[in-house]
Amino acid sequence: RKEVEQDPGPFNVPEGATVAFNCTYSNSASQSFFWYRQDCRKEPKLLMSVYSSGNEDGRFTAQLNRASQYISLLIRDSKLSDSATYLCVVPMNTGFQKLVFGTGTRLLVSP
Amino acid sequence: EPEVTQTPSHQVTQMGQEVILRCVPISNHLYFYWYRQILGQKVEFLVSFYNNEISEKSEIFDDQFSVERPDGSNFTLKIRSTKLEDSAMYFCASSVGDRDQPQHFGDGTRLSIL
Repeated sequence: RKEVEQDPGPFNVPEGATVAFNCTYSNSASQSFFWYRQDCRKEPKLLMSVYSSGNEDGRFTAQLNRASQYISLLIRDSKLSDSATYLCVVPMNTGFQKLVFGTGTRLLVSP
Repeated sequence: EPEVTQTPSHQVTQMGQEVILRCVPISNHLYFYWYRQILGQKVEFLVSFYNNEISEKSEIFDDQFSVERPDGSNFTLKIRSTKLEDSAMYFCASSVGDRDQPQHFGDGTRLSIL
């Protein structure tokens, strides 16, 4: 299994739709997980941290399934401004300082 | 909101030349990192730095690379003799702690090697 694996997409959805992205990771010792958002040629920006079974922030919900080594991100009521690449990120190695990024899932929200 | 700042935003350098990329991490953060992203590829870890020494580094971070915190605010990445394949976006990041703490990224330096 790859360290962090995501479906690259793109996911094309209309405004107002609900969309979900999945991510699997290989290191069963990882304790924290992050979703970052990256706009074209920009820096990754932290969207959500996930430490236990899940986290919710407004329209965004992240869920963690440790047994299956699987994280998901759900976006409700999609906005045009949600169009971006969503990066699943998992700390690895002994100090957990090395963040391992997935390839990202591209989301395109259309009017 | 405090942020990580990087300079320059774009650096163009001849192959074989030395380049220094600069970063000012968030002021109360203790852990500092460099990542790179080759165009069209995923973000890759280069190195982490804590308490004035390297704490982890990747296979990419070979003898041509070095990092330094020359004063209380700047954190630099030096590439001694650049190669064409060093062309990428370089991101600096910082965090309050290590385990379980999110890292906050600067807006990057685009390095183009000719």
